[in-house]
Amino acid sequence: KAGVTQTPRYLIKTRGQQVTLSCSPISGHRSVSWYQQTPGQGLQFLFEYFSETQRNKGNFPGRFSGRQFSNSRSEMNVSTLELGDSALYLCASSLDEGARGYTFGSGTRLTVV
Amino acid sequence: AQRVTQPEKLLSVFKGAPVELKCNYSYSGSPELFWYVQYSRQRLQLLLRHISRESIKGFTADLNKGETSFHLKKPFAQEEDSAMYYCALPPRDDKIIFGKGTRLHILP
Repeated sequence: KAGVTQTPRYLIKTRGQQVTLSCSPISGHRSVSWYQQTPGQGLQFLFEYFSETQRNKGNFPGRFSGRQFSNSRSEMNVSTLELGDSALYLCASSLDEGARGYTFGSGTRLTVV
Repeated sequence: AQRVTQPEKLLSVFKGAPVELKCNYSYSGSPELFWYVQYSRQRLQLLLRHISRESIKGFTADLNKGETSFHLKKPFAQEEDSAMYYCALPPRDDKIIFGKGTRLHILP
């Protein structure tokens, strides 16, 4: 079965712009989480959705937002981009709320110039 | 507060030598810990779970509640083990807590 799919793979944006990233979870998985990965901070939790509801949010500014659709696909939006937003954004899905682990996508590499 | 600490950013080990990647945690309750691995240019993937007591690719990890540790071990390192390894606490409030990761470099 198909894994977690994230699009696009790479993005280059300028400061002040906004960006939308997409994640399609494994079929049947209703939990989708987003993480930001940087060399300095490692993996940091952004937010998690389950059945179209945001269940938790990490310590990121309000410029970071997301949503989940009825087919469990999720989008993440970052507005007013800053240079520090350059990172690999990872999406992970789970069948059982993570008790048996998460399956990650390949990520979207965002570069803000 | 929940926390995962991986004290080594980089660990270099000769091929054939034993490997131990350290992980210490702070968690209220009974933890179920995970190790994730990220090989070069590949996605982050689950390596093993404490609760399943499995051995994956020769790696094992034992939960030591007294020392609050969940170190990852392998008796004989192989070159293909070179990767980034993350220790993680289970979801609480629906988010995984990851350590900062340890880069394992296997020397020929």
